[in-house]
Amino acid sequence: NFLLTQPRSVSESPGKTVTISCTRSSGSIANNYVQWYQQRPGSSPTTLIYADNERPSGVPDRFSGSIDSSSNSASLTISGLKTEDEADYYCQSYDSNIQVFGGGTKLTVL
Amino acid sequence: EVRLVESGGELVQPGRSLRLACTASGLTFADYAVNWARQAPGKGLEGVGVIGTNPLGATTEYAASVKGRFSISRDDSRSVAYLQLNSLTTEDTAVYFCSLLYQLLPRKPPAWGQGTLVTVSS
Repeated sequence: NFLLTQPRSVSESPGKTVTISCTRSSGSIANNYVQWYQQRPGSSPTTLIYADNERPSGVPDRFSGSIDSSSNSASLTISGLKTEDEADYYCQSYDSNIQVFGGGTKLTVL
Repeated sequence: EVRLVESGGELVQPGRSLRLACTASGLTFADYAVNWARQAPGKGLEGVGVIGTNPLGATTEYAASVKGRFSISRDDSRSVAYLQLNSLTTEDTAVYFCSLLYQLLPRKPPAWGQGTLVTVSS
């Protein structure tokens, strides 16, 4: 079993770039694909990134994902921040095929 | 267009059972593993369990918090997966989501439903 740790909150100004980290507690981050989801209040999660760095059609290329084996972490980078990006963001991987989620990061765009 | 609809959530007393359904359309359901996750009020997401595809034996795995109480099944002929919740406690109060993960190549992004609310209270 492993945990995924995210910062509880981040904030940045419109037009800037923000990176949200997701650190795996044990086992290699490369062992299982990482997904990133955006969730607005009262809505279900939507997939921003899947398979570490793949972007679904319809997701702007302002969103990008990566993994770093040296820090055993994944990252979600959002460039050209817009006020509409304000939401909760979750990383997710798999442990015995069961979804393991990070605790979520609240992004404030101010 | 891919569409997932969860149903079956309601107010239920502690100790009772409930069955949730996840109905899919717009895709070949048999090619997807089905994950169930939940989100307690004001909290983050928690993985509940998964069922694989039938060619791989439709194996199931469960989170420790629900193992022995929850079970997942699927009916590919109806494009539906079920989450059976038994011996419910107040700790199981949450919105329950299903998501589908394509098991073939090329990879596809996970698809999520809108969720169904389960409230356990006396």
